Amino acid sequence: GQNIDQPTEMTATEGAIVQINCTYQTSGFNGLFWYQQHAGEAPTFLSYNVLDGLEEKGRFSSFLSRSKGYSYLLLKELQMKDSASYLCAVLDSNYQLIWGAGTKLIIKP
Amino acid sequence: NAGVTQTPKFRVLKTGQSMTLLCAQDMNHEYMYWYRQDPGMGLRLIHYSVGEGTTAKGEVPDGYNVSRLKKQNFLLGLESAAPSQTSVYFCAVQRGENGNQPQHFGDGTRLSIL
Repeated sequence: GQNIDQPTEMTATEGAIVQINCTYQTSGFNGLFWYQQHAGEAPTFLSYNVLDGLEEKGRFSSFLSRSKGYSYLLLKELQMKDSASYLCAVLDSNYQLIWGAGTKLIIKP
Repeated sequence: NAGVTQTPKFRVLKTGQSMTLLCAQDMNHEYMYWYRQDPGMGLRLIHYSVGEGTTAKGEVPDGYNVSRLKKQNFLLGLESAAPSQTSVYFCAVQRGENGNQPQHFGDGTRLSIL
């Protein structure tokens, strides 16, 4: 079966750095997405990785290791507005998106 | 959410009632999706469409029907609502050229079945 694992909840302090991990087992791999979803709102696109390595986009970075079936989202200089759920999704061999349950990130002052 | 509009935003139904959720887009994207989101679970694909006049089943299609008569609209129907269909429903659109294009979501419809 296809499976994506993320921690259910994480807590971090304003101004700090947090790393949200995602491991996956899917039938094939055509890329990995990270989305942000504030409570009661729609998911919004953050990043896409298809090759190994780190992609940096402002305060957010995303890393992929295809051989390990592993990705992480790194958030720097945390702000209160970063409190949200972060969804990991993998594009499988049929180009269908398989979604993780999401990681709820709580930022404390 | 700009470009993808879902109606209604909230609805309460009684078991056995029917209703249609509408997704309208002005992004001119080919692909459209209907998902449901339940606590503790990832987004689950109900049905999707790769273009006007086409539809296909996703992971959890039972109890739902869809239609895509016009490119800009994707309708999700519940013929006989059941309490297990209580959920938040999201529509998403995607440019069709490559699967690596991000999906853009509507604001969701919160549906309760009593």
